[in-house]
Amino acid sequence: GDSVTQMEGPVTLSEEAFLTINCTYTATGYPSLFWYVQYPGEGLQLLLKATKADDKGSNKGFEATYRKETTSFHLEKGSVQVSDSAVYFCALSGGGSNYKLTFGKGTLLTVNP
Amino acid sequence: ETGVTQTPRHLVMGMTNKKSLKCEQHLGHNAMYWYKQSAKKPLELMFVYNFKEQTENNSVPSRFSPECPNSSHLFLHLHTLQPEDSALYLCASSPESTVSYGYTFGSGTRLTVV
Repeated sequence: GDSVTQMEGPVTLSEEAFLTINCTYTATGYPSLFWYVQYPGEGLQLLLKATKADDKGSNKGFEATYRKETTSFHLEKGSVQVSDSAVYFCALSGGGSNYKLTFGKGTLLTVNP
Repeated sequence: ETGVTQTPRHLVMGMTNKKSLKCEQHLGHNAMYWYKQSAKKPLELMFVYNFKEQTENNSVPSRFSPECPNSSHLFLHLHTLQPEDSALYLCASSPESTVSYGYTFGSGTRLTVV
């Protein structure tokens, strides 16, 4: 079945550091890929998405490129801020499931001033 | 406000109580979902409703009983829960056939079973 593997956390960075959170997937067909963010005490919010190979999703300085050849969708940001501290979830939909989202386990990011 | 509203935000209940969680969306979505988020565990899909019909039950214990009276409302009825059921319960919705847009989540109900 479909699955998502993302790097284990926690990740701790200083403000203005470069961020990469790795995400790889296994799916049948052609899934759509997502990054969600969860701030403390809140639900999940869609951060960015990509629906086909080589698409780049971007939002709030974050970027991720849909790489079909490596089945990856790594999240990057050039300069993180304290306010980026949150849990980040990689997810896919479609593929072998009609409309179900399959999530990774989440990566906790802490950014220190 | 995301467009998906969950109430209450926090709930403390005893193991013999009966309570209900409510989720409401007015986004015109036709699919709704319940997820359980426990500390240090992946998100667990519990139930899926599509056009008010339950299409998935992920082996959830019968002490959790979902209800979807229409495409805009979803309930999770709780009875005789266990302490390990304490978690954040998240509701989400999506357009039924446009899965590439992903889900819209509510802020969740933080449930504590004592």
